[in-house]
Amino acid sequence: AQSVTQLDSQVPVFEEAPVELRCNYSSSVSVYLFWYVQYPNQGLQLLLKYLSGSTLVKGINGFEAEFNKSQTSFHLRKPSVHISDTAEYFCAVSDTGGFKTIFGAGTRLFVKA
Amino acid sequence: NAGVTQTPKFRVLKTGQSMTLLCAQDMNHEYMYWYRQDPGMGLRLIHYSVGEGTTAKGEVPDGYNVSRLKKQNFLLGLESAAPSQTSVYFCASSPILADTQYFGPGTRLTVL
Repeated sequence: AQSVTQLDSQVPVFEEAPVELRCNYSSSVSVYLFWYVQYPNQGLQLLLKYLSGSTLVKGINGFEAEFNKSQTSFHLRKPSVHISDTAEYFCAVSDTGGFKTIFGAGTRLFVKA
Repeated sequence: NAGVTQTPKFRVLKTGQSMTLLCAQDMNHEYMYWYRQDPGMGLRLIHYSVGEGTTAKGEVPDGYNVSRLKKQNFLLGLESAAPSQTSVYFCASSPILADTQYFGPGTRLTVL
């Protein structure tokens, strides 16, 4: 069975500082990996995804993530955050032949001025 | 192109009452999903559909039923609401198996 662990439930950071949100997964099969962002009182929207190819994936709003197969990780990074990045971020995994996507518990990023 | 819409946005029920949540998508997606979101638990899959006329159970199906009579609509029913079903419910759709999901804005349900 697949599972996703987001290692931090909350990450406070000052504006313009770098940030890393950590995600580890477990799966016995090939996977697709995703990061979604949820702004207050809204649905989730895709930030970036890894399907195949280059392990460094770039997404919207200056975010990027690196797929590390040996460490089964897919950490999200941004070199300089803005107040507007305050939101909840979800890591998700789906097996390449399956119908279901498993979501992590979420990491709340709080950017302070 | 409205994407994924959900009706209603908010609802308060008393224990034992029933209701139906409607999800509609105008992107011609085959796959549709219902999730519930609870604090600290992320999103949990309730039911899903791989095409018109099909439904299947997800991770937490008990107390819910679904129907997909038309490709663009996916209904979630609660026959006898319980306080444990207080949650935010999200519908999503996807054009390709296991790929990006497109989410609706959510329905906040409170069961008293």
